[in-house]
Amino acid sequence: QQQVKQSPQSLIVQKGGISIINCAYENTAFDYFPWYQQFPGKGPALLIAIRPDVSEKKEGRFTISFNKSAKQFSLHIMDSQPGDSATYFCAASRASGTYKYIFGTGTRLKVLA
Amino acid sequence: GAVVSQHPSRVICKSGTSVKIECRSLDFQATTMFWYRQFPKKSLMLMATSNEGSKATYEQGVEKDKFLINHASLTLSTLTVTSAHPEDSSFYICSAGGGGGQETQYFGPGTRLLVL
Repeated sequence: QQQVKQSPQSLIVQKGGISIINCAYENTAFDYFPWYQQFPGKGPALLIAIRPDVSEKKEGRFTISFNKSAKQFSLHIMDSQPGDSATYFCAASRASGTYKYIFGTGTRLKVLA
Repeated sequence: GAVVSQHPSRVICKSGTSVKIECRSLDFQATTMFWYRQFPKKSLMLMATSNEGSKATYEQGVEKDKFLINHASLTLSTLTVTSAHPEDSSFYICSAGGGGGQETQYFGPGTRLLVL
């Protein structure tokens, strides 16, 4: 019940295209869902996060879509650029208590020039 | 804002020695800090959670006597790998919560440890 399943494992997108990464969770107690971007040899950087009281959140080219009934959320990267090539992790946590994250397995995105 | 630093960025040590990694929140007070380990092309594995002034809480399977964590202040946590062995070689990353909101974790740049 603590798992967060992330797909696809890897993704290749043409420059200017839309990258879509999906995550699914089981624990209905989760109420905070962040996405992180990680470049090789670096720490993860927060991209965008959402709480279950909204179905969509947009920040620049990054959008999170959230489906509470399906227990799924996804990251959309619009107008994907070669500089977006990185590994993306979704996570889920409870916005109270220990605030521990349960991370997805990661998606390696490559954007072709 | 919400910047977390780690030192050193990489370290090479001999088997049997101890290595200390520092994690600092530079512009906010971190009530909670987390230590992760990451293997190549894998996700982050939580090792322990620490709150300032109290003992760290270790995840199942993590040896607390081997990975000593101290959270001495609201801006500093340290991880000491004691009696390091080659299998401890990994990428260690800390994160700090309490910057933009208690639930958000801000990650440090990571420390690459190589034990010879």
